[in-house]
Amino acid sequence: QKEVEQNSGPLSVPEGAIASLNCTYSDRGSQSFFWYRQYSGKSPELIMFIYSNGDKEDGRFTAQLNKASQYVSLLIRDSQPSDSATYLCAVSHSSASKIIFGSGTRLSIRP
Amino acid sequence: DTAVSQTPKYLVTQMGNDKSIKCEQNLGHDTMYWYKQDSKKFLKIMFSYNNKELIINETVPNRFSPKSPDKAHLNLHINSLELGDSAVYFCASSQDPGGRAWDEQFFGPGTRLTVL
Repeated sequence: QKEVEQNSGPLSVPEGAIASLNCTYSDRGSQSFFWYRQYSGKSPELIMFIYSNGDKEDGRFTAQLNKASQYVSLLIRDSQPSDSATYLCAVSHSSASKIIFGSGTRLSIRP
Repeated sequence: DTAVSQTPKYLVTQMGNDKSIKCEQNLGHDTMYWYKQDSKKFLKIMFSYNNKELIINETVPNRFSPKSPDKAHLNLHINSLELGDSAVYFCASSQDPGGRAWDEQFFGPGTRLTVL
């Protein structure tokens, strides 16, 4: 079992709709959870982090965390073509000395 | 510009050669990392250094040797390059060792290594 699992996609969403990206993790001791966005040929950049159960909103982005289910998700409201990218879920290791990345979900927003 | 920079951006070389990738950050961070991203976009940590000391070495072949002359620099030297080493290598930095909620990692632009 991979430590951080994501559906590789591609996930195709019409412009203006809500894109929902999901991630599961195996280390119950994980405490911090991150979503990075990576455009093709570019480096990853942090969009959001969350460490408490529940929802965290930042503009059009909402991160959701359920530690009991070992599940974290990212919702993107009013999707724009510029949101088309690969989204990497990352989870802190319980030793808190590193983060583990999932393989990413490729999101495509169609006009 | 404050950033994480890497050189070179592209590296094409023959099997068996030795090559180095350089990384510098001017963000004042204490921790630096090397990641490898393969063709399937899987980003895997290789090494991390905190204040010039190695804190993570993720079962990377000993052909890979990181060197941190100071906390702003973390270079990666690769001996006897193999076909499987072809990937994009990212350097990153953060204020503290990774894993804390506030601990954003800032990535360099990446070095695309192609071994022929």
